[in-house]
Amino acid sequence: EPEVTQTPSHQVTQMGQEVILRCVPISNHLYFYWYRQILGQKVEFLVSFYNNEISEKSEIFDDQFSVERPDGSNFTLKIRSTKLEDSAMYFCASIFDRATNEKLFFGSGTQLSVL
Amino acid sequence: KQEVTQIPAALSVPEGENLVLNCSFTDSAIYNLQWFRQDPGKGLTSLLLIQSSQREQTSGRLNASLDKSSGRSTLYIAASQPGDSATYLCGFRNQGGKLIFGQGTELSVKP
Repeated sequence: EPEVTQTPSHQVTQMGQEVILRCVPISNHLYFYWYRQILGQKVEFLVSFYNNEISEKSEIFDDQFSVERPDGSNFTLKIRSTKLEDSAMYFCASIFDRATNEKLFFGSGTQLSVL
Repeated sequence: KQEVTQIPAALSVPEGENLVLNCSFTDSAIYNLQWFRQDPGKGLTSLLLIQSSQREQTSGRLNASLDKSSGRSTLYIAASQPGDSATYLCGFRNQGGKLIFGQGTELSVKP
């Protein structure tokens, strides 16, 4: 089965630093998502991305966050100035067409620890 | 606002028992519903996908059902094993494409 790949698997950073989390979605997929899961809490939607622009974002996705598809394969989430409360597992997901009944494919996540 | 609720929050059973995990959602405009397994500190493993037009899906010892009219889905696990111990998440997908997750049921199967 095809896979969504995320790197790194773990990232430790100091508060106030910028981090970039990387994802390689499945090659023919068109819709991309970032989710996060704070320890012990629900998996929360952050942002969806299609045709090189954000199609939907949650209240969590404030000005500190940005997403980019810099080339034909990578999809990145940047946090400009990390806060302690950004510590979480971040999941990338992709789907070919959101208007179909396909399943959403998830990566294995990046565990971000902000110290 | 769509809400997804999972009951119970935690469940402990002896090996060999059949068990049912419950998921309820508030929005009937559902595209599909996915059940996932999550091991501690790990990613999401997709178990079953039920389309909005389907009533159930089966994979091995797992059976998931969907009742749109009542806003409920159940995941049935037959003959549970210690290796089934994990957190089980349901995710509701609407027309906008994003998945909305429940808080999960933490399952422990004792040998």
